[in-house]
Amino acid sequence: QIQLVESGGGVVQPGRSLRLSCAASGFTFTTYALHWVRQAPGKGLEWVAVISSNGNKNSYADSVKGRFTISRDNSKNTLYLQMNSLRDEDTGLYYCARDASRGSTWGPLDTWGQGSLVTVSS
Amino acid sequence: EIVLTQSPGTLSLSPGERVTLSCRASQSVSSTYLAWYQQKPGQAPRLLIYDASSRATGIPDRFSGSGSGTDFTLTIRRLEPEDFAVYYCQQYGSSPRTFGQGTKVEIK
Repeated sequence: QIQLVESGGGVVQPGRSLRLSCAASGFTFTTYALHWVRQAPGKGLEWVAVISSNGNKNSYADSVKGRFTISRDNSKNTLYLQMNSLRDEDTGLYYCARDASRGSTWGPLDTWGQGSLVTVSS
Repeated sequence: EIVLTQSPGTLSLSPGERVTLSCRASQSVSSTYLAWYQQKPGQAPRLLIYDASSRATGIPDRFSGSGSGTDFTLTIRRLEPEDFAVYYCQQYGSSPRTFGQGTKVEIK
């Protein structure tokens, strides 16, 4: 079945870095754009970033631009989020999600992982 | 950035009731690229409606979406016990993609 599994979360001090991974299975990875969406504890959803199916295009929320980098390895069916200069407000559950539109980055999110928890604290 | 405002913040209802949730955009949503998601405690969000009015795969027909431009609605025809959850709207027609703050539908 279609599955996304995040990993790499943990507790990190402010200013440090962390890299999240999202392993995909059950679908043709190279056909779909992928997103990261986060959720602070007890709060709503916040879109973070998107990367196109071939990795050539990406876009970021202003809150993470210049600090986070989204990338993918299509040979490993894996999505990444490199998070640098982490702040307290980056704390939350990070979901990877599949863009339902084949070949573009402008679709709804039809498949979600279970999330990876990132806690930024000194 | 398109700001999505959902109302009300919380609804207290009984099973069997009809529910109408609102999502208002600060500017017109391109090509009705508006989705609705359901999230239950401890679970990832689930896509319910896309393109404002199309049901996602496997979603019961008691869920329906409507609207265009800046005003969108999610309707649940008759609440089932499993429908008590938080509902989010999201626009995906312009960057950054944005979510509404959510509406919680709780058991009265």
